[in-house]
Amino acid sequence: QQQVKQSPQSLIVQKGGIPIINCAYENTAFDYFPWYQQFPGKGPALLIAIRPDVSEKKEGRFTISFNKSAKQFSLHIMDSQPGDSATYFCAASCGFFSGGGADGLTFGKGTHLIIQP
Amino acid sequence: DAGVIQSPRHEVTEMGQEVTLRCKPISGHDYLFWYRQTMMRGLELLIYFNNNVPIDDSGMPEDRFSAKMPNASFSTLKIQPSEPRDSAVYFCASSLVQGPEQYFGPGTRLTVT
Repeated sequence: QQQVKQSPQSLIVQKGGIPIINCAYENTAFDYFPWYQQFPGKGPALLIAIRPDVSEKKEGRFTISFNKSAKQFSLHIMDSQPGDSATYFCAASCGFFSGGGADGLTFGKGTHLIIQP
Repeated sequence: DAGVIQSPRHEVTEMGQEVTLRCKPISGHDYLFWYRQTMMRGLELLIYFNNNVPIDDSGMPEDRFSAKMPNASFSTLKIQPSEPRDSAVYFCASSLVQGPEQYFGPGTRLTVT
């Protein structure tokens, strides 16, 4: 059972465009939603994360939008650059902000993003 | 500061052999996680430790897999005997108790022939 569904699987955007990657989750106990960026041959790198009591978070050109009632969240990349070409993963975990301590991440299947020059 | 360190970076072995993957978490981190990445199944949590104690090993696929954390700066993931379907990239990650952010190592690419 896939608990975090990510779409699209792949995405091609022209430089300067705004790629949008979407994720939906089922487990209402999730309380931490990070996005990771992975380049070929490298480990996933934490990009940005959000808690469910916040509807939007921006860090540089990256923005997370969060809709708790719909159990969905998305990543927007402003002014995208060829260097942003990578695989992006959404993830979720539960328990930390409820006092249960850190928990393992449940990942979406990933989106292969290509930014064309 | 050094990030999460994993060794070896690449491992090629024959079916039936024992494989040991190693991880050194970021100094001061209290949690250590092992993940596996394959094309078919994506990134999956295998097991994680808090202060060297295994907390959740429900993701360990079979009894052929075992993990240990003898001290705060070292963990191993062992597969015995290995099978071709174990071929994957294995990642180690660590985090602080004060925050949920997990930091990943570069991974070990395992190929079992």
